[in-house]
Amino acid sequence: SQQGEEDPQALSIQEGENATMNCSYKTSINNLQWYRQNSGRGLVHLILIRSNEREKHSGRLRVTLDTSKKSSSLLITASRAADTASYFCATDGTGGYNKLIFGAGTRLAVHP
Amino acid sequence: ETGVTQTPRHLVMGMTNKKSLKCEQHLGHNAMYWYKQSAKKPLELMFVYSLEERVENNSVPSRFSPECPNSSHLFLHLHTLQPEDSALYLCASSRAFGLADEQYFGPGTRLTVT
Repeated sequence: SQQGEEDPQALSIQEGENATMNCSYKTSINNLQWYRQNSGRGLVHLILIRSNEREKHSGRLRVTLDTSKKSSSLLITASRAADTASYFCATDGTGGYNKLIFGAGTRLAVHP
Repeated sequence: ETGVTQTPRHLVMGMTNKKSLKCEQHLGHNAMYWYKQSAKKPLELMFVYSLEERVENNSVPSRFSPECPNSSHLFLHLHTLQPEDSALYLCASSRAFGLADEQYFGPGTRLTVT
């Protein structure tokens, strides 16, 4: 069964605006990761947040995790056209650290 | 470049063909993965290898046969595929199995089964 589900499915914004994507999952996790994928290519890891962490930053990215609500959010601040991509959350669930289960992703379009 | 390469990048094959996908990682990692990404489903984990030993086989049909001859190379052998097997096949690696860690993905092989 699908573990992570992103919301919204698609997001369209202007350059300079912030973009927020949400992820919900069903079972207990050890870690949650966010990945980015440019059209039809491989995924690139963005951030890993552990279940005992509530917030993590990396450059213009901010990830929060609320284990009580089984949800996470990814915030991209001051977005750029180059941020246009699909963003996926992945959880390890009960299968073990390496057996990631991905959500369907959010397609982000940033317009110049 | 992520340090993970995949060949070929595009493959068209008939249902009776046999072909192989190749993945190579130059990162010194010990765990390697095959994923399938199709248009209508989220990314699905197919196989996991740790130090050349298969540790996961996610109910994948036998027409997909993985091979890991060493920790740097991973193959996916394909035979008698179905049109619904058309998808982007992604290889990934990570430092070690059992370690919470990021995975490094290759660019993928776009497979079309006719």
